[in-house]
Amino acid sequence: GAVVSQHPSRVICKSGTSVKIECRSLDFQATTMFWYRQFPKQSLMLMATSNEGSKATYEQGVEKDKFLINHASLTLSTLTVTSAHPEDSSFYICSARDPGRGSGELFFGEGSRLTVL
Amino acid sequence: GQNIDQPTEMTATEGAIVQINCTYQTSGFNGLFWYQQHAGEAPTFLSYNVLDGLEEKGRFSSFLSRSKGYSYLLLKELQMKDSASYLCAVTDSNYQLIWGAGTKLIIKP
Repeated sequence: GAVVSQHPSRVICKSGTSVKIECRSLDFQATTMFWYRQFPKQSLMLMATSNEGSKATYEQGVEKDKFLINHASLTLSTLTVTSAHPEDSSFYICSARDPGRGSGELFFGEGSRLTVL
Repeated sequence: GQNIDQPTEMTATEGAIVQINCTYQTSGFNGLFWYQQHAGEAPTFLSYNVLDGLEEKGRFSSFLSRSKGYSYLLLKELQMKDSASYLCAVTDSNYQLIWGAGTKLIIKP
């Protein structure tokens, strides 16, 4: 089946540093990928839609200069949290749809737990 | 506005049956998903309904009534490993996925 892989699964960094998270579609090409954030005991919150070859579309309230998204190929999107602060600590999850499947089902990466000290 | 409502938490007994309800109000409808999410993990797909009726898949079934803006996820023969959050999500007319807050299901022996 379709698989989306995310790396790293866990990262701890110091306040003020930048962290890059990678999201790969392993057996299909994804022109669009979605980045979510989830705080403890809360639902998924869409941060941005990553579009291959063009700029990402950010949801209201999400700082595009802080959360840099690059979708340079049909199988890879990256999210960089710049100048991370403790309030950025969260579970970040990417997802993508397989265009070969008509259901529109979202396949999720494993998630990346970011802890900013 | 668009919203999806589902209970925050439910408790059930191992071996029993539980029904998790989801009601939605969205601008258009292009399908409803149920996902399972264990603590600290990413969601995994359970079911997809786009037409009215019941979809059965093993111990899990999902029902949809578009006229009522209503769905439920039915879990039979509950196992301890079913303890998780269950997320209802609806695709609207723009194919945007609207997420419910999730229902935390606690299974007791």
